[in-house]
This record gives sequence, structure tokens and C-alpha cells, in this order.
Amino acid sequence: NAGVTQTPKFRILKIGQSMTLQCAQDMNHNYMYWYRQDPGMGLKLIYYSVGAGITDKGEVPNGYNVSRSTTEDFPLRLELAAPSQTSVYFCASRKTGPETQYFGPGTRLLVL
Amino acid sequence: GNSVTQMEGPVTLSEEAFLTINCTYTATGYPSLFWYVQYPGEGLQLLLKATKADDKGSNKGFEATYRKETTSFHLEKGSVQVSDSAVYFCALSPYEYGGATNKLIFGTGTLLAVQP
Repeated sequence: NAGVTQTPKFRILKIGQSMTLQCAQDMNHNYMYWYRQDPGMGLKLIYYSVGAGITDKGEVPNGYNVSRSTTEDFPLRLELAAPSQTSVYFCASRKTGPETQYFGPGTRLLVL
Repeated sequence: GNSVTQMEGPVTLSEEAFLTINCTYTATGYPSLFWYVQYPGEGLQLLLKATKADDKGSNKGFEATYRKETTSFHLEKGSVQVSDSAVYFCALSPYEYGGATNKLIFGTGTLLAVQP
């Protein structure tokens, strides 16, 4: 049971490039989340999903897109990278009912 | 709206000292409250939680009591260890009709550094 896994661990992008941050969980959780963590700012919710085929915006969705075609995977897409998207990105999941969210190890993204 | 305010860090303590990290919240209804811990280079892990007023969450020697009258959920530990060095996040899950929502709202985090 690997829990929540994220790839890559670290990436450097140039302004205007695109990339997909991968997130997968093997706990059969319905709910999945993407957060970004900026220094001194805590975590902000980008997008979340309550099940396959269902996604919704969080607090800071601009510049990002998501899809949820399977229960296990919840990729986050950056279409036109901007320096403001330099951050650490965390994926999380939880099952229906209990509110404990399980976090992945994070992806550090640097946009130059 | 819903928000969480934590004491700013860093908090630097000697081993075996008493720890308090303050957390207050603003929310409508009856949110659930959480403390998460982030060790260096890792993701967040749930440390403890409380789902209703006067509940006490506890884990690994840490405790926090849900105080609705003061809208607080302060984290305490009687004797800290070097291995407790980490960033601690207070968070709430807002209440909506029919139960708690599926979202978490985080405070900014407090860095704890414990020296031998």
C-alpha cells in the first residue's frame, strides 16, 4: 500500500511551458485534492474531486486544470507556466465519511 | 468567512520543554478541527483532530482541546524531543448543512525547532 504518490519530485519550467503533475492513490479514496504551499502562506486548495468524472474549483484555480478519469489518478495540468506558479504542490485524498486527508510527498516546481 | 490563525514562528525550545502553539479560528456552525505535522522534505500527516466542542484530540504526547467559547484549538506537549522538530499546521473543515464539508482550510504553519 503506497498511499498517495506524486511525480515528479522537482521540476524547473520556463515561462510559457506546460506540464502535468501526476498524483495517484491506491486506497480507493473517493475524494482527491490539489494544494499549493507558498512560503509563510500555508496551503491553498487549487482543485478537488469527489469521484471519477467530478471535479470542482478550490480557492486558487486560475492557471490550472484537472481531470479525474479514474478513482486512482488525479493529474494537475499547468498550460502556460508563470513565475507566480513557483510553489510546492501537494496532492491529498480521503475516503467518504472520515475527514482525515492523506498527503503525498509533494512536487517542488520552479518557473523561471 | 472561514479562517485559521496560528502563532507565528519559529518556535525554538530546548529538549524536554513544554510546548504550546496557539490556534484560533473563525467559522460558522460547528467545524471540525485538526493539527497536521510536516517533517522536513515530507508531506503533511494528521497529528490529531476534534470534531465537536470540548473534544480533546491526542496523539504521540500532543494534545489539543476544541474550545468553542474561545474559538481556539491550541496544541500542547509536556516534553518535546528533537524529533518533534517540524512545521505544525492548524486546520478546520467547515460545517455545512448535513455535515462537515470535504474541504480543509489551513493556517500558515508554525515551525518548531527543538534543540538538544
